[in-house]
Amino acid sequence: GNSVTQMEGPVTLSEEAFLTINCTYTATGYPSLFWYVQYPGEGLQLLLKATKADDKGSNKGFEATYRKETTSFHLEKGSVQVSDSAVYFCALSDPPGTYKYIFGTGTRLKVLA
Amino acid sequence: DAGVTQSPTHLIKTRGQQVTLRCSPKSGHDTVSWYQQALGQGPQFIFQYYEEEERQRGNFPDRFSGHQFPNYSSELNVNALLLGDSALYLCASSLTKGWKNTEAFFGQGTRLTVV
Repeated sequence: GNSVTQMEGPVTLSEEAFLTINCTYTATGYPSLFWYVQYPGEGLQLLLKATKADDKGSNKGFEATYRKETTSFHLEKGSVQVSDSAVYFCALSDPPGTYKYIFGTGTRLKVLA
Repeated sequence: DAGVTQSPTHLIKTRGQQVTLRCSPKSGHDTVSWYQQALGQGPQFIFQYYEEEERQRGNFPDRFSGHQFPNYSSELNVNALLLGDSALYLCASSLTKGWKNTEAFFGQGTRLTVV
């Protein structure tokens, strides 16, 4: 079945460092892809999304490109801040448009001042 | 706009008991999905309600059931609680509009502890 695999954390970076969190997926069709963020004690917030191959989602300095050839959707940010410390989840919707999400296990990011 | 609201925020139950969790969707949304998030894991899809009917279901036993009311709010019921049911239960609301893929909004969750 469809699945999402994320790099394991925690990821610890200094402020202003470059961030990459890897995400790959397995899907029989053409899913939409998402990154959600979860701050301590809170629910999930949509960070960015992409609905078709080669689409780039972006928000708050974060970017991810839907790569069908490598079945990947890696999250990047050029300069992280302490306020970016959170757990990041990669997800796909299966089937597209149904809001039935398959999530990865999450990657905890800790940014040090 | 209050967004997605869930109640209660925390609760503790004993093995074998039954529990009901509640969710009010974001204003204008008509679809509610429920997820279980075990500690250190990603959310797992339980089921989804639209037009007061279960539209999709994940790989969860029949002990997990739900309901959607005419005002689109929803309940998740879990019977015969097991220790393994301890988790954060998340509700997500969305708008079904010709299968257009718009954003789903999540509530802050209900933390269930089974002892």
